[in-house]
Amino acid sequence: DAGVIQSPRHEVTEMGQEVTLRCKPISGHDYLFWYRQTMMRGLELLIYFNNNVPIDDSGMPEDRFSAKMPNASFSTLKIQPSEPRDSAVYFCASSSPLETQYFGPGTRLLVL
Amino acid sequence: AQTVTQSQPEMSVQEAETVTLSCTYDTSESNYYLFWYKQPPSRQMILVIRQEAYKQQNATENRFSVNFQKAAKSFSLKISDSQLGDTAMYFCAFMFEGYDMRFGAGTRLTVKP
Repeated sequence: DAGVIQSPRHEVTEMGQEVTLRCKPISGHDYLFWYRQTMMRGLELLIYFNNNVPIDDSGMPEDRFSAKMPNASFSTLKIQPSEPRDSAVYFCASSSPLETQYFGPGTRLLVL
Repeated sequence: AQTVTQSQPEMSVQEAETVTLSCTYDTSESNYYLFWYKQPPSRQMILVIRQEAYKQQNATENRFSVNFQKAAKSFSLKISDSQLGDTAMYFCAFMFEGYDMRFGAGTRLTVKP
């Protein structure tokens, strides 16, 4: 398996623009997680899905953030409008129940 | 609350020597899993080792081993024969309910030639 795939790997955008991050989980994994990593706050869980259904989005910082999982092989995290404080590395991870979470390579987002 | 504490923000070790990274956690759960992840400068999160709480035997993966003390809620990582490629951030993580994972703040390890 190719592992968790994320795109784009790097994104530079201007404040106010819409940003869409994409993730393809490992085939057969039931859980999908979106994390954000910053120097100040470390790794934070934003939202996770089980069988394509959002289960817990309490980590989503604001209404500007939204996530979808239209099918078992694709998920998006959208920020609209983006702000400089959203600059971070965003990770997608997937797992089976009781199993290890495998992380994608991350998307490094810079909002100017 | 489930928390993970890594008390060593930074550590260094000479190449070929052994280093131990500390991790403690707090939980009332009886069934859980513990992990160490490595994050090199590339930012990729790489699984190093995993331990099931119900197993008394400490997990090992080549040069990496853990010292799991369930009663003390301690889960340290030992790296033997340190290599330059081991230079990275190391995160201790705790998972319960089969999917809910909490991470420590990380320890930055530098292996010196």
